[in-house]
Amino acid sequence: AQTVTQSQPEMSVQEAETVTLSCTYDTSESDYYLFWYKQPPSRQMILVIRQEAYKQQNATENRFSVNFQKAAKSFSLKISDSQLGDAAMYFCAYRSVANTGNQFYFGTGTSLTVIP
Amino acid sequence: NAGVTQTPKFQVLKTGQSMTLQCAQDMNHNSMYWYRQDPGMGLRLIYYSASEGTTDKGEVPNGYNVSRLNKREFSLRLESAAPSQTSVYFCASSEAGGLETQYFGPGTRLLVL
Repeated sequence: AQTVTQSQPEMSVQEAETVTLSCTYDTSESDYYLFWYKQPPSRQMILVIRQEAYKQQNATENRFSVNFQKAAKSFSLKISDSQLGDAAMYFCAYRSVANTGNQFYFGTGTSLTVIP
Repeated sequence: NAGVTQTPKFQVLKTGQSMTLQCAQDMNHNSMYWYRQDPGMGLRLIYYSASEGTTDKGEVPNGYNVSRLNKREFSLRLESAAPSQTSVYFCASSEAGGLETQYFGPGTRLLVL
């Protein structure tokens, strides 16, 4: 099974500053999808951004962008101009294209604190 | 359009009791999932249903059963609850094909005494 590793259990950032959350994964597949989900205190899981492995261009969604390094199996999330509402747990997730079982694999999460 | 809904939001059980967690989605998604979330362990897949009429085990299926009642509904049953099943349970759904982004329900917090 694929594994997803988030090596930073906790991170903090000053409001309006930039922070990068790390994610690495282990796979032998060549095509797959990667996701970042946000879980605020309400516990609702919210999709932040997604990336298709066959696309070399890094995905961006407003203040959120990723640095996808396929050879290094790295998928970091950059949050620019951090806002208080960005405070949450962030999960990295992997999904195989070839996996007909539709399984997603999640990392253990990074808790982000935004300091006013 | 409510997305993914779950009931109940919170439940306390005694060891050995049974209960069913309900999940419904109104997005016409083919695939549905049940996860549990424990501190320091992220989300772990319990069972999933790739399409109506099919179910498969995930990473941690022991102690659980599921039913895909129809395309909209996917229930999770604990036949004899144990304290180790104290957790937060999330239901999710996704389309088949494409990026298959998962959409999550609000979660059910379960405490087994």
